[in-house]
Amino acid sequence: EPEVTQTPSHQVTQMGQEVILRCVPISNHLYFYWYRQILGQKVEFLVSFYNNEISEKSEIFDDQFSVERPDGSNFTLKIRSTKLEDSAMYFCASRPSAGPSEQYFGPGTRLTVT
Amino acid sequence: QKEVEQNSGPLSVPEGAIASLNCTYSDRVSQSFFWYRQYSGKSPELIMSIYSNGDKEDGRFTAQLNKASQYVSLLIRDSQPSDSATYLCAVTLNAGKSTFGDGTTLTVKP
Repeated sequence: EPEVTQTPSHQVTQMGQEVILRCVPISNHLYFYWYRQILGQKVEFLVSFYNNEISEKSEIFDDQFSVERPDGSNFTLKIRSTKLEDSAMYFCASRPSAGPSEQYFGPGTRLTVT
Repeated sequence: QKEVEQNSGPLSVPEGAIASLNCTYSDRVSQSFFWYRQYSGKSPELIMSIYSNGDKEDGRFTAQLNKASQYVSLLIRDSQPSDSATYLCAVTLNAGKSTFGDGTTLTVKP
């Protein structure tokens, strides 16, 4: 069964460093998302991406964040200068179409900023 | 008011019982409704989706949607210890973002 994959599973970085989180969505899906979940808190939307552009972003997704689909398979989230409060699980998700359709999550990347 | 509100937990049921999880949402134009199961430290796993009013059954799981009341629920029949997890309600408009509730932690006791 197709699944969303993410790498790395765990990333440790120092405050102020840049990190890139990678995702490979399900191959025939058209809509891509990043969410984050701070430990003990709820899942929060960061950004959605369709047709090679951002379709929606949350207040969390400020100028320090960017997303890219550099080729036909990868979908990346970059944090330019990490802060301690960026420590969280980051989940990539994808869905096949615009109508009622199911969204599938990847296994997540645990980001720890020290 | 929270956009998606779930019944506060934790919820504890004995093995074999029915677990009932509830969720209300504030945006009347929401179109897609999902229940995810999340084990500690893991990603949300989709277990049910529902798009129209009424009931939808899949094995031991039944989702119920009432758009007039802005209410969606999940029933788990014959609960098993392996069902112990946090259950997340998510609400989506078209292909937009999913908005999640805080989750309800379910414990099924053998």
